[in-house]
Amino acid sequence: DSGVTQTPKHLITATGQRVTLRCSPRSGDLSVYWYQQSLDQGLQFLIQYYNGEERAKGNILERFSAQQFPDLHSELNLSSLELGDSALYFCASSVASGSGNEQFFGPGTRLTVL
Amino acid sequence: GQQLNQSPQSMFIQEGEDVSMNCTSSSIFNTWLWYKQDPGEGPVLLIALYKAGELTSNGRLTAQFGITRKDSFLNISASIPSDVGIYFCAGRGEGAQKLVFGQGTRLTINP
Repeated sequence: DSGVTQTPKHLITATGQRVTLRCSPRSGDLSVYWYQQSLDQGLQFLIQYYNGEERAKGNILERFSAQQFPDLHSELNLSSLELGDSALYFCASSVASGSGNEQFFGPGTRLTVL
Repeated sequence: GQQLNQSPQSMFIQEGEDVSMNCTSSSIFNTWLWYKQDPGEGPVLLIALYKAGELTSNGRLTAQFGITRKDSFLNISASIPSDVGIYFCAGRGEGAQKLVFGQGTRLTINP
């Protein structure tokens, strides 16, 4: 158990809908990262927050947005869902960012868009 | 942007065999990490490397930070069934915030 929690574990929805994925970082971690993993694919970095502020952005679609709240939990919002958005979405957290502050991953949310 | 090439993509070995996999980068990294992912789970950090030439072990796992800073290697000795999974390398460039991940090596062990 990494100490990072994600809810829900599974999510099934229809095209065009909007969903919210939630992540609680490890106790003491200020930085949260979101990744997308499609079937048999590597991890694609989406976005990073540090202490409530956006710190780095990856290949995140405009239909996707995220935020980190004062209690440091984070939410990833996915809207106008398409079939291709079906994937595992992972949250990771670290104490800070940069070298030596390594990321610990949550168990993921499996999103299925029908 | 930065890219990582991880090889092999998959390995089918017998229990007890040693395993080697590697990652190469198109640019210099100052951090190399190796993660393992079990089916339906999140990646788990195995080994972190921060200096060129560094060799670090974690039980039967040994990883090395290549001297050119553009590659890293992971070796698993005397493989056992619980080693099955997908192994990912990841790297971070100088001053970079984000990690870049390799495509993974899927390890299958025949008993």
